[in-house]
Amino acid sequence: QTVVTQEPSLTVSPGGTVTLTCASSTGAVTSGYYPNWFQQKPGQAPRALIYSTSNKHSWTPVRFSGSLLGGKAALTLSGVQPEDEAEYYCLLYYGGGQHWVFGGGTKLTVL
Amino acid sequence: EVQLVESGGGLVQPGESLRLSCAASGFTVSTNYMTWVRQSPGKGLEWISVIYSGGNTYYRNSVRGRFTISRDSSKNTLYLQMNSLGPEDTAVYYCTGGGPYLYFQNWGQGTLVTVSS
Repeated sequence: QTVVTQEPSLTVSPGGTVTLTCASSTGAVTSGYYPNWFQQKPGQAPRALIYSTSNKHSWTPVRFSGSLLGGKAALTLSGVQPEDEAEYYCLLYYGGGQHWVFGGGTKLTVL
Repeated sequence: EVQLVESGGGLVQPGESLRLSCAASGFTVSTNYMTWVRQSPGKGLEWISVIYSGGNTYYRNSVRGRFTISRDSSKNTLYLQMNSLGPEDTAVYYCTGGGPYLYFQNWGQGTLVTVSS
């Protein structure tokens, strides 16, 4: 049973920088896991932010960036805005039966 | 503008079946990578099933043999047939899809399935 682990919660001040990470129980996350990142606000559907590690969708704010960091996928928010307060999920590709596995989510508080 | 609209959710008893639909506009279901994702109340997102543009399908272990993903090109609609439902299947079900690498670009608003006696 593959497990994808994210920080349960993080707090950041407005204007600050924060990095969320996404680790795999199988080992180091590489580009071959095609990391995706999503933002979800209460009562809303998820919104795609990043695909294939670091690629942004047309609507993704410039302050969001994706990367690989220390064997994990990472989502960095630079110059955090109050509207960035949300739950963030990563998603990794494993192929085969499991195919894709979501992380447990990180609740980001902007305070 | 791409729109995905799920429907078919509701309250069912354990052991019963339900078919969810995801109607697309501004987007062609049959030529894109389409996925069902669910979210139990107060919990995280869970990948359920995918159908590739070529027709290959995959399922998470807990639903394999009970759920079937399919599509109807003439109606531009994605389906999820769910059989032998249990309380653990209670969740909001989302459809999502996109092209190569942009697999999860577009999302519907979700439909709630409640399995309870």
